[in-house]
Amino acid sequence: DAGITQSPRYKITETGRQVTLMCHQTWSHSYMFWYRQDLGHGLRLIYYSAAADITDKGEVPDGYVVSRSKTENFPLTLESATRSQTSVYFCASTGTGVVNEQFFGPGTRLTVL
Amino acid sequence: GQQVMQIPQYQHVQEGEDFTTYCNSSTTLSNIQWYKQRPGGHPVFLIQLVKSGEVKKQKRLTFQFGEAKKNSSLHITATQTTDVGTYFCAGYNFNKFYFGSGTKLNVKP
Repeated sequence: DAGITQSPRYKITETGRQVTLMCHQTWSHSYMFWYRQDLGHGLRLIYYSAAADITDKGEVPDGYVVSRSKTENFPLTLESATRSQTSVYFCASTGTGVVNEQFFGPGTRLTVL
Repeated sequence: GQQVMQIPQYQHVQEGEDFTTYCNSSTTLSNIQWYKQRPGGHPVFLIQLVKSGEVKKQKRLTFQFGEAKKNSSLHITATQTTDVGTYFCAGYNFNKFYFGSGTKLNVKP
C-alpha cells in the first residue's frame, strides 16, 4: 500500500525555469492539497482539488499552476521559478469530504538558485 | 484574512515536565485539527475537534476546543523524548484549512 507519494524528493533549479512536482495517491481520495512549508509560516495552502477537473486557489496561489486530470494525480507546476519559491512542498489528500484527516506525502525540498 | 496564530514558537522542557501549545483564530472556526511533525518528516494527523468546548484525550495528550470555537490547546502530560517534534493546529473555515505556524517541542532526557 503505497499511500501518497511525491516526486522528486529533492530538486535544485534555477530562477526562471519551469518545475513540476508530482503527487500520487493510491486511495482514490477525492480531495488533494498542495502546501508549502517555510520557517515561521507553518503550512500554507497553495491549491486544492475536490475531484478530477475541479481545482481552487488556496492562500498563496501566485506563481503556481495545478491540474487534476485523474483522481490519483495532482501535479504542481512552477511556471517560472523564483527564489522566494524555495521551500518544502507537501501534498496531502483526504477521503470522504474535505473536513477529514489529511494524509501527507513525504515532501519535496525545492531549492531555486 | 483568516489567521491562525500559535504560541509558543519553541518550547524546551525536561523529560517528565508538562507542555502546552495554544492556537488562536481571528474568526470562529468550523473545526480544528492537530498534527505532529517529527524532525525531517511530514505532518501526521492527531485529532479533530468539532464541538464548542470539546475535550478529547489520547493517553498523555489532552486537546481542547474553546467555547467560542476561536481557540484550542494541546497539553502533554509528563513529556517523553518521543514527543519531540513540531505540533501544528489547523483551523477549518471558508472551505479551507489554515495552519498555525507550529510549536517546536524539544525534550531533554
